[in-house]
Amino acid sequence: NAGVTQTPKFRILKIGQSMTLQCTQDMNHNYMYWYRQDPGMGLKLIYYSVGAGITDKGEVPNGYNVSRSTTEDFPLRLELAAPSQTSVYFCASGGQGPIPDTQYFGPGTRLTVL
Amino acid sequence: AQSVAQPEDQVNVAEGNPLTVKCTYSVSGNPYLFWYVQYPNRGLQFLLKYITGDNLVKGSYGFEAEFNKSQTSFHLKKPSALVSDSALYFCAVRDSKAGNNRKLIWGLGTSLAVNP
Repeated sequence: NAGVTQTPKFRILKIGQSMTLQCTQDMNHNYMYWYRQDPGMGLKLIYYSVGAGITDKGEVPNGYNVSRSTTEDFPLRLELAAPSQTSVYFCASGGQGPIPDTQYFGPGTRLTVL
Repeated sequence: AQSVAQPEDQVNVAEGNPLTVKCTYSVSGNPYLFWYVQYPNRGLQFLLKYITGDNLVKGSYGFEAEFNKSQTSFHLKKPSALVSDSALYFCAVRDSKAGNNRKLIWGLGTSLAVNP
């Protein structure tokens, strides 16, 4: 089991460029999440998904888009990169059940927008 | 409104001494509580969770946490700290009445430094 994998590990973008952050999980989890982590600010939820074909906004969705065509993959798209999107991005997944399950995190993508 | 507070940005403790990292929460229903640890340049790793039952929860790496409903707290503890415990610790909560989206509310994190 690889768990949650994210690519790339690092990326530098110029203002206005676009990119997709990839996230894949092999645990057959229904729930997937994208967070950003800024120093001293904890984790902010960008988007989440409760299953294939279903996505919803989190706290800070502006400037981002997601899709969930399969259970395994949950890519995050930045359309017009801005310096405010410089951050570390984490993808997480969680299982099913009547009570919340543990969220398993990927290693993160460190993004710099210049 | 749901919220989580970690009142200390940083905790310093000598190796071998007991450590406590504090967390308080506010939810309208019953809380589901979590502790995660983040080592430098790594993703978050699950340590332990409280859903129901015994107020003292044991987790990975010798950590434990005590749920205190009257004080709305879920402090993380370890009897004897190791230098390798130095990391960033996050508390998170979910309100049992919050619906089926499984979203967690996260604290801002506490940096633990264990000095040799």
